[in-house]
Amino acid sequence: EDQVTQSPEALRLQEGESSSLNCSYTVSGLRGLFWYRQDPGKGPEFLFTLYSAGEEKEKERLKATLTKKESFLHITAPKPEDSATYLCAVSGGYQKVTFGIGTKLQVIP
Amino acid sequence: GAVVSQHPSRVICKSGTSVKIECRSLDFQATTMFWYRQFPKQSLMLMATSNEGSKATYEQGVEKDKFLINHASLTLSTLTVTSAHPEDSSFYICSATRQDYGYTFGSGTRLTVV
Repeated sequence: EDQVTQSPEALRLQEGESSSLNCSYTVSGLRGLFWYRQDPGKGPEFLFTLYSAGEEKEKERLKATLTKKESFLHITAPKPEDSATYLCAVSGGYQKVTFGIGTKLQVIP
Repeated sequence: GAVVSQHPSRVICKSGTSVKIECRSLDFQATTMFWYRQFPKQSLMLMATSNEGSKATYEQGVEKDKFLINHASLTLSTLTVTSAHPEDSSFYICSATRQDYGYTFGSGTRLTVV
């Protein structure tokens, strides 16, 4: 069974204080690892898809990296508007996507 | 980009009644649509996977007679919660995908059963 574990569950940062979120996974035949951002009461918003170990993708202050066992979402100089829950998910066989519980990020001005 | 519209965003219903939630892919044809449920402080849990024109595949523990899924076209899937009970109160989210695309999510529906 595919599993996704995210840490920490919650993270509080000062504005400008860079940090990383972790996503550890086990999956049979990785088809893709996804990062989403979810605001309260809203559906997840797509950020990145990573397909193979060593791959990296960037978008504004966010950078996602992937190894064979985990992925990191690096946040550089975060702003208050980056406050959200960040979800990691993996897709193995049969198109099934398994989500982690998420990391709730709060960026304080 | 791919856009998925989900309606309604919020619904309150009386216990014992049925509620229908719609999920539409607006600018692409989705080969597969998924329905998730999310309880507070918990992860999204897949309820069922549906392909256009065929019966939905339900995850273990999800009652197919209670959560009716209809995937009538490549752009529309509906989830009907039948005989709703307070314990069905949750946040329901759909997502849609097509070959070689990622997964696009709707904005979610907050269901409250009173």
